[in-house]
Amino acid sequence: KQEVTQIPAALSVPEGENLVLNCSFTDSAIYNLQWFRQDPGKGLTSLLLIQSSQREQTSGRLNASLDKSSGRSTLYIAASQPGDSATYLCAVRHSNYQLIWGAGTKLIIKP
Amino acid sequence: ETGVTQSPTHLIKTRGQQVTLRCSSQSGHNTVSWYQQALGQGPQFIFQYYREEENGRGNFPPRFSGLQFPNYSSELNVNALELDDSALYLCASSDLGGDTQYFGPGTRLTVL
Repeated sequence: KQEVTQIPAALSVPEGENLVLNCSFTDSAIYNLQWFRQDPGKGLTSLLLIQSSQREQTSGRLNASLDKSSGRSTLYIAASQPGDSATYLCAVRHSNYQLIWGAGTKLIIKP
Repeated sequence: ETGVTQSPTHLIKTRGQQVTLRCSSQSGHNTVSWYQQALGQGPQFIFQYYREEENGRGNFPPRFSGLQFPNYSSELNVNALELDDSALYLCASSDLGGDTQYFGPGTRLTVL
């Protein structure tokens, strides 16, 4: 049974710092891995998607890596801003229809 | 191109009642997935509908049921509500097998 774990559960850092969020999964037989952002009162927004054959994806200040063999992914946020404050969730696509999610990391960027 | 919408935004029910939640897919998408997100947890997959047929189901009891209509909008029905059904219910639309799911803002259900 696929399980997805995110560490830490919460993180508070000063504005401008670079930071890393972690995601681990137990079954390496995945189609892809996605990082999402969730803001209060809003839905989930997809940030980055890494296919199982890829090692990393970049979008602006965000970089996500994937190591299938070790069952790990990281989301790197450069030069953090208060607007980055949100809950970040990773999800693995384990079949042709199902996403399996971590519990998320709540990120607070202090001005 | 309109995004995914859900109604209602918030809902309060009592234990034992029934509830229907609604979702309108993003234009052009033929697949809808429903998720339950308890407070402080990640979403849990309930089921997926493709062209009006259930295409996959997570570990939820039969009192969770759904419908998809010809215009690809969808309903989630929950019978015999329990306190643990209190959660944010999210729907997401996509093309079948598509990598990207587009999420609605969710319906916050509170069961008293």
